[in-house]
Amino acid sequence: AQKVTQAQTEISVVEKEDVTLDCVYETRDTTYYLFWYKQPPSGELVFLIRRNSFDEQNEISGRYSWNFQKSTSSFNFTITASQVVDSAVYFCALSEGSNYKLTFGKGTLLTVNP
Amino acid sequence: DTGVSQDPRHKITKRGQNVTFRCDPISEHNRLYWYRQTLGQGPEFLTYFQNEAQLEKSRLLSDRFSAERPKGSFSTLEIQRTEQGDSAMYLCASSPAGLTYEQYFGPGTRLTVT
Repeated sequence: AQKVTQAQTEISVVEKEDVTLDCVYETRDTTYYLFWYKQPPSGELVFLIRRNSFDEQNEISGRYSWNFQKSTSSFNFTITASQVVDSAVYFCALSEGSNYKLTFGKGTLLTVNP
Repeated sequence: DTGVSQDPRHKITKRGQNVTFRCDPISEHNRLYWYRQTLGQGPEFLTYFQNEAQLEKSRLLSDRFSAERPKGSFSTLEIQRTEQGDSAMYLCASSPAGLTYEQYFGPGTRLTVT
């Protein structure tokens, strides 16, 4: 069965600090997809990134970067120079093969203080 | 592209009443998903449609829940004989067909059962 664990329930940082959100996943499939979503206080889930299991290249998009390591079943998310607008709940999610449903972790609440 | 819309945004109902929620997906997306999110948790998969066909239902979807997508466009989720445990945010998402694509979420319908 697929499972996603986000061990950090809450993180609080001061603006401009770098912060890393951890995500560990479990799956028996060799083909799977990993996602990160942001849920700001307004409530709507916003898609950030999708990676497939065959592509372990790290990715950078502006202040955001993602580190995918199959050896440790981890897909961590780093925000560089955090800003107050980054305050939100961040969810890591997994889908297996041709099964389209997403399995989410419990989320990490990030608070960026001015 | 106006995004996924859901109606109503909030619903307060008394225990035992029936409620119906509507979801309008992004127009060219033929996959539609329903999730439920309770406080402090990640979204949990309920069911998904490809066009008008309901292809998977979670065991979370008891007999009191029914979902339809009659013409492959909008979808409705009905809960009969609501219980206090049904109080949650009900999220709808859509995605294009083909290999797994990211799912785009609507703003959700928050249900409160009193």
